[in-house]
Amino acid sequence: AQKVTQAQTEISVVEKEDVTLDCVYETRDTTYYLFWYKQPPSGELVFLIRRNSFDEQNEISGRYSWNFQKSTSSFNFTITASQVVDSAVYFCALSEARAGSYQLTFGKGTKLSVIP
Amino acid sequence: DTGVSQNPRHKITKRGQNVTFRCDPISEHNRLYWYRQTLGQGPEFLTYFQNEAQLEKSRLLSDRFSAERPKGSFSTLEIQRTEQGDSAMYLCASRGGAAHYEQYFGPGTRLTVT
Repeated sequence: AQKVTQAQTEISVVEKEDVTLDCVYETRDTTYYLFWYKQPPSGELVFLIRRNSFDEQNEISGRYSWNFQKSTSSFNFTITASQVVDSAVYFCALSEARAGSYQLTFGKGTKLSVIP
Repeated sequence: DTGVSQNPRHKITKRGQNVTFRCDPISEHNRLYWYRQTLGQGPEFLTYFQNEAQLEKSRLLSDRFSAERPKGSFSTLEIQRTEQGDSAMYLCASRGGAAHYEQYFGPGTRLTVT
């Protein structure tokens, strides 16, 4: 069965520091999709990124970057020069192609606090 | 471009009462999901619709839960005979066609059962 592990429950950093959020996944499927979502204090989950299992290219979007490594089943998320607005709970999620619904399996989330 | 909307945003009910939540997906999205999120946890899948057909249900969805999407547009989630353990945030998400795998979430309905 699919599983997503976010070992870091809470992280605190000082503004402008870089921070990496870890995500390790388990799946038996050969085609799958990985996601990161942000949940700010307001509560609404905001989609950040999707990666396909067949595309291991890392991605950068502004201060955000993602490192996908199939060899270690990891999909880590780095925020460069963190800002107070980055404070939120971040979720890593997985969906499998063989589940026709492509339902998401989430990790427990990492709460990031950026201190000014 | 409107996102996913959910009503009500908050619901307080007494144990044993029935409650119903509504979700309006992004208009062009034909796939709709319900999830439940409890404090300190990630969302957990409840059920999935493609158009009006309910194609998958989680074992979390007990007999007291029912969901509908009668015309393939909005959806409702009903909980009968609520229990305190039903207290949670109920999230709705939608996604577009077959090649679009990311789901977009609504703000959720927070249910408190007293």
